[in-house]
Amino acid sequence: EAQVTQNPRYLITVTGKKLTVTCSQNMNHEYMSWYRQDPGLGLRQIYYSMNVEVTDKGDVPEGYKVSRKEKRNFPLILESPSPNQTSLYFCASSTRQGTGELFFGEGSRLTVL
Amino acid sequence: KQEVTQIPAALSVPEGENLVLNCSFTDSAIYNLQWFRQDPGKGLTSLLLIQSSQREQTSGRLNASLDKSSGRSTLYIAASQPGDSATYLCAVSTLDSNYQLIWGAGTKLIIKP
Repeated sequence: EAQVTQNPRYLITVTGKKLTVTCSQNMNHEYMSWYRQDPGLGLRQIYYSMNVEVTDKGDVPEGYKVSRKEKRNFPLILESPSPNQTSLYFCASSTRQGTGELFFGEGSRLTVL
Repeated sequence: KQEVTQIPAALSVPEGENLVLNCSFTDSAIYNLQWFRQDPGKGLTSLLLIQSSQREQTSGRLNASLDKSSGRSTLYIAASQPGDSATYLCAVSTLDSNYQLIWGAGTKLIIKP
């Protein structure tokens, strides 16, 4: 089954404790992206990757890091989480540099205390 | 800068009605437009993708149209069902945004049994 898998789905952590949200897709997609979704602000792109070892900043990259060492994986790293990073995070993947149909993961709800 | 607007923000209709959701964009130089569905607390599912050269796309009871010159797209849902209740988002891809999607805020649809 074609899917994008995110882990963890739910996480409560404390300010400053490094965490990683993993994302994996099984569709051999070149393009992957991270979004955050907040009430009243909609979906905002954090980082995206056109292919292995190619990453670019989205609209709200501050406080986040990503890496793309393998085609299927695109982890999101919060080196020193802060309460304003409490949000619902989505990973997505697509063909054709992101211009194809976009497939989303189920989301990761992160709370930073 | 491209902006995407969805009006109304919320819509409630009785089961069985045909309905139209609207999406407008300020710059007609789009590459494509996608409609998505999001159930509460879940990821997004792509419903229809319309390339800039196309006028419409159909999938089952859904029909999406695109009028680039007027900066509008509509999502038509025929014979609505309670299971259609969800938030519907549209997003456009443009060359200026390096093909990254620019999102509307969504229309929350409630179908009353």
